[in-house]
Amino acid sequence: DQQVKQNSPSLSVQEGRISILNCDYTNSMFDYFLWYKKYPAEGPTFLISISSIKDKNEDGRFTVFLNKSAKHLSLHIVPSQPGDSAVYFCAASGAGSARQLTFGSGTQLTVLP
Amino acid sequence: KAGVTQTPRYLIKTRGQQVTLSCSPISGHRSVSWYQQTPGQGLQFLFEYFSETQRNKGNFPGRFSGRQFSNSRSEMNVSTLELGDSALYLCASSLTGADSTQYFGPGTRLLVL
Repeated sequence: DQQVKQNSPSLSVQEGRISILNCDYTNSMFDYFLWYKKYPAEGPTFLISISSIKDKNEDGRFTVFLNKSAKHLSLHIVPSQPGDSAVYFCAASGAGSARQLTFGSGTQLTVLP
Repeated sequence: KAGVTQTPRYLIKTRGQQVTLSCSPISGHRSVSWYQQTPGQGLQFLFEYFSETQRNKGNFPGRFSGRQFSNSRSEMNVSTLELGDSALYLCASSLTGADSTQYFGPGTRLLVL
């Protein structure tokens, strides 16, 4: 039972354009969401997070949007750069003191020069 | 501030052996979580330690165990290795585990022959 789903295994975008990565979740107890970027042979790098009390969080070129009613979040990267090419994972955690992260399967983003 | 470190980075073992992996969290972080990443299953939560106590556990067999020391460093142990244990093992640290972002180390790549 996949509680966090990233339905697009890959995405290609032209440099300078917007990249939109999507993530859906099923567990209504999730209240904290994160995006990580991962290069091969490295651990995931934290990008941006959002709590369920917000619907948008911005950090530079990265913006995360949360639609609680649709149980959907998205990561927007504007403008996209070749160095953004990596696998992007969304992750979610629920209420309580134990912050177990449940990850999606990842989306490979390729930014073409 | 130094990031999360994991040792060793690469390891080759044979079936039936046991292995111990080590993780040093970011200074001041008290929560350490372990994840297994495989191509087929993605990133899966193993367990979380906080103040030397296992606070949460994922759905893995008892061959997978861990511990945390008073300086927050953590080890995980896998006994009676199986071929399917070949994976990237990631450690993540956070301040408290609750409502705090997890930061990942580079991982230990384990190959079981």
